[in-house]
Amino acid sequence: AQSVTQPDIHITVSEGASLELRCNYSYGATPYLFWYVQSPGQGLQLLLKYFSGDTLVQGIKGFEAEFKRSQSSFNLRKPSVHWSDAAEYFCAVGARDNQGGKLIFGQGTELSVKP
Amino acid sequence: EPEVTQTPSHQVTQMGQEVILRCVPISNHLYFYWYRQILGQKVEFLVSFYNNEISEKSEIFDDQFSVERPDGSNFTLKIRSTKLEDSAMYFCASSPLGYEQYFGPGTRLTVT
Repeated sequence: AQSVTQPDIHITVSEGASLELRCNYSYGATPYLFWYVQSPGQGLQLLLKYFSGDTLVQGIKGFEAEFKRSQSSFNLRKPSVHWSDAAEYFCAVGARDNQGGKLIFGQGTELSVKP
Repeated sequence: EPEVTQTPSHQVTQMGQEVILRCVPISNHLYFYWYRQILGQKVEFLVSFYNNEISEKSEIFDDQFSVERPDGSNFTLKIRSTKLEDSAMYFCASSPLGYEQYFGPGTRLTVT
């Protein structure tokens, strides 16, 4: 069955420290991969996406993610976290062979930022 | 930058009542979706809509749910007879070509 796992429910980092949020997926083939961010009371904002090509993708707000096929992972990183990055982050996958198909989401990782 | 909008932001209704959640997708997008997120749980897919018909629906999307695109700009989700367990945040999303999806801010539905 298709699934997305975000092993860390809650992470706390200090402002200015680096960040890595983990995402693993189980899928029949290489899916499309996404990271979304949800600030309190807000909707889901698309941070970045991976379709094909370079396995390191850049997104908005200084985030990047690396697709590793051998590990079925798509981890999100940021070199230096800002207090405004505190939010919930969701990894999601979509099927390559199902244009218009649904996204499957992970449980989410809540990020807190210490001053 | 174009955005998906949703109204209302919060809806309180009594069990058994009908509710309609409204969405205005991004103009020129072709694919439309509804998801929901029960408090503390994952975002779950409900239904996708393309070319004026449902293209996929989940087990959650039973006969109590329906979707409509009445006028080429709005996209609605109707729940005919709400249950307590329908309380959730409902997100509308749209996609230009059926790959990346852009989400609205959500409607929080509270069923009492």
